[in-house]
Amino acid sequence: DADVTQTPRNRITKTGKRIMLECSQTKGHDRMYWYRQDPGLGLRLIYYSFDVKDINKGEISDGYSVSRQAQAKFSLSLESAIPNQTALYFCATSERGGPYEQYFGPGTRLTVT
Amino acid sequence: GEDVEQSLFLSVREGDSSVINCTYTDSSSTYLYWYKQEPGAGLQLLTYIFSNMDMKQDQRLTVLLNKKDKHLSLRIADTQTGDSAIYFCAESASQGNLIFGKGTKLSVKP
Repeated sequence: DADVTQTPRNRITKTGKRIMLECSQTKGHDRMYWYRQDPGLGLRLIYYSFDVKDINKGEISDGYSVSRQAQAKFSLSLESAIPNQTALYFCATSERGGPYEQYFGPGTRLTVT
Repeated sequence: GEDVEQSLFLSVREGDSSVINCTYTDSSSTYLYWYKQEPGAGLQLLTYIFSNMDMKQDQRLTVLLNKKDKHLSLRIADTQTGDSAIYFCAESASQGNLIFGKGTKLSVKP
């Protein structure tokens, strides 16, 4: 079984809809991250969480919110989806200490029409 | 601020060596990483190097680090069609977050 899972894997939604992307991990890591990937722009950090009570904004948090329900679960919400949020979204986890390598889920492809 | 730069495309012939280059700005980065993303998949850690090392070798992969020039490279020996993917360079930043480059798409021609 995969260590980092994301649901759904693909989603098409309409402008203005609320949508939640979920991430679960079995690696026992404290830290979890949400990124979005756009062609030619690489990965950009949306939010990160160092533990259940420590949540931080990343580079591009506007229009997104997160919830860390447990050590193993970190969800990303788009309160009112817009077309320029169409992207590939990745969840990742890492341990608290170095070398800080991050382990990625398979991604969620989100299309907002 | 922190930034990681890498060229967007590289094309090689099967059996040749591939060299993917990266420059970074944060001289205090403790670790530097190479990730691989195959089509339709997430990123997979290939290797990382500690900042006090010059070189790390792992089978067909060789990582070279020039800390003075803030330059990192990944050499893939005997490149195969299965190596076709996007390769991301990343540096460790404050609090252990990673800063990723935009990725280099490696195309391997038979």
